[in-house]
Amino acid sequence: EVQVVESGGGLVQPGRSLRLSCTTSGLSFVDYGMHWVRQAPGKGLEWVSGITWNSAKIAYADSVMGRFTISRDNAKNFLYLQMNSLRVEDTALYYCVKDMGGYIQTPLFWGQGTLVTVSS
Amino acid sequence: QTVVTQEPSLTVSPGGTVTLTCASSTGAVTSDFYPNWFQQKPGQAPRSLIYGTSKEHSSTPARFSGSLLGGKAALTLSPVHPEDEAEYYCLLYYGGAWVFGGGTKLTVL
Repeated sequence: EVQVVESGGGLVQPGRSLRLSCTTSGLSFVDYGMHWVRQAPGKGLEWVSGITWNSAKIAYADSVMGRFTISRDNAKNFLYLQMNSLRVEDTALYYCVKDMGGYIQTPLFWGQGTLVTVSS
Repeated sequence: QTVVTQEPSLTVSPGGTVTLTCASSTGAVTSDFYPNWFQQKPGQAPRSLIYGTSKEHSSTPARFSGSLLGGKAALTLSPVHPEDEAEYYCLLYYGGAWVFGGGTKLTVL
């Protein structure tokens, strides 16, 4: 069984930074693309960022471009999302999602999410 | 800014057939958009149903099918079961990034 576990969420003031982490088990981490998807309270899903298995291709939603950075450490089996210059509208449940393959085409295995609250 | 549009809500009777659609503000949706469909029930993480327009996972019930219909991506459920009541989201690829639709709340009555 594939498991995806996020961590690092919490309460942060506007303008500050936060780093989310994600690790998976049940399938090789290094062979799969990864995504971050978020969901604001009571709202729909928003794709945030994705990274291929070898970090050769990285993509971001326009809403986070220049503020968020996705990265992965295949040796440690971890995915990260560095979030800078946080805004109130970044408040959401952040899901880490493992792709079906090595690229960023089919988000398949979802974690339970980590909650980020941006508020003064 | 790219907008992906879904029906906000649909209602269907058990045993019936319903088609959810997914439109792009940039024009017709084609297989190049690699449409994905997800189901989300309250309090749960989303679940992938369809990828690459019409490909089903081994865990996807046979009553779910994906297609392209009239310039949109489409998800058809037939026959509908009571447990299919949920929010459904499409996801389209825009040559670098992905964009979710706003979701369709499907009610089974």
